[in-house]
Amino acid sequence: EAQVTQNPRYLITVTGKKLTVTCSQNMNHEYMSWYRQDPGLGLRQIYYSMNVEVTDKGDVPEGYKVSRKEKRNFPLILESPSPNQTSLYFCASAPSRVYGYTFGSGTRLTVV
Amino acid sequence: GENVEQHPSTLSVQEGDSAVIKCTYSDSASNYFPWYKQELGKGPQLIIDIRSNVGEKKDQRIAVTLNKTAKHFSLHITETQPEDSAVYFCAASGFAGNQFYFGTGTSLTVIP
Repeated sequence: EAQVTQNPRYLITVTGKKLTVTCSQNMNHEYMSWYRQDPGLGLRQIYYSMNVEVTDKGDVPEGYKVSRKEKRNFPLILESPSPNQTSLYFCASAPSRVYGYTFGSGTRLTVV
Repeated sequence: GENVEQHPSTLSVQEGDSAVIKCTYSDSASNYFPWYKQELGKGPQLIIDIRSNVGEKKDQRIAVTLNKTAKHFSLHITETQPEDSAVYFCAASGFAGNQFYFGTGTSLTVIP
């Protein structure tokens, strides 16, 4: 089944404790992206990747890191999480940025 | 960068009536306009898209129209059913930039 898999689905952590949210796609897509979803703000792009080893900042990159060492994986790293990073996170992939995304199921992150 | 505005933020319709959601965009170079449906607890799912060389596209009860001159596009759902209740997002992308830009979402409720 073609899909984007994110883990974990739910995560509660403490301020400053490094964490990684994994994302993997099995569709050989070139383009991958991370979004955060907050009430009233819609979906805001954190980082995106056009291909392996090619990443760039979206609209809200502060406090996040990404890497794209393999085509299928695009992990999101929070080196020192803060409470304002409490949000619902989505990973998505697409054949290119002018094709529709396939989204993962989301990761609900709470930073206390 | 691109700015996508979406209206209304909430919409309630009676079952069987039509629903219309409107989006405007700012970057005339945008040429790909997808619509996503997000059900509770799930990631957004692509339901229909349109490219700038087309004015209208239909898929059963769903249609999208695009007015490039006015820089707006709309989602039309006819004969609404309770299972159409969800949050709908519009988005814009194009070769001029590397990002997808989303609207802030419309919460549609279909009243049986």
